[in-house]
Amino acid sequence: DQQVKQNSPSLSVQEGRISILNCDYTNSMFDYFLWYKKYPAEGPTFLISISSIKDKNEDGRFTVFLNKSAKHLSLHIVPSQPGDSAVYFCAALRAYNTDKLIFGTGTRLQVFP
Amino acid sequence: DARVTQTPRHKVTEMGQEVTMRCQPILGHNTVFWYRQTMMQGLELLAYFRNRAPLDDSGMPKDRFSAEMPDATLATLKIQPSEPRDSAVYFCASGLQSSQPQHFGDGTRLSIL
Repeated sequence: DQQVKQNSPSLSVQEGRISILNCDYTNSMFDYFLWYKKYPAEGPTFLISISSIKDKNEDGRFTVFLNKSAKHLSLHIVPSQPGDSAVYFCAALRAYNTDKLIFGTGTRLQVFP
Repeated sequence: DARVTQTPRHKVTEMGQEVTMRCQPILGHNTVFWYRQTMMQGLELLAYFRNRAPLDDSGMPKDRFSAEMPDATLATLKIQPSEPRDSAVYFCASGLQSSQPQHFGDGTRLSIL
């Protein structure tokens, strides 16, 4: 049973425009969420996170939005750059119980000129 | 810049052979994780350790997989005997207890023929 779902396996966006990557979760006990970015032949690297007490967290071109009632989060990248082309993983955590991250299956983002 | 180091980066072997993957966590990190990346499941947690003690290996096939931390600088994941369905990329990650994010190595790409 996939507790964290990324329903779009791929997304293609033109350079300069906004990229929106979506993530849904089923477990209401999750209280901390992270986005990781992965280039080919490399390990995932941390991008941005959000606690369930917030609904938005921003870091430069990256913003994560959390809608707890809908059990949905999204990552916005604006403006998108060709270097953003990678696989993006959403992950969730029950922060006060365990260190176990539950990952989604990833969305491959391609930013074209 | 501190990194998680995984060896080997690539491994090709025949079905039935023993496979050992190694991980050197970031110095000072007390939590070590083993993940497997597959197309269908994304990043699956196989096992994790805190202060070298195994905390959870529920994601790991017990009959053929084993994970150990002989010391604080080395974690190993063994498969014996290996099967073609074990072909995947295996990632090690390390972190501090109850603190995010986890830091990933660049993975071992395993192919079982």
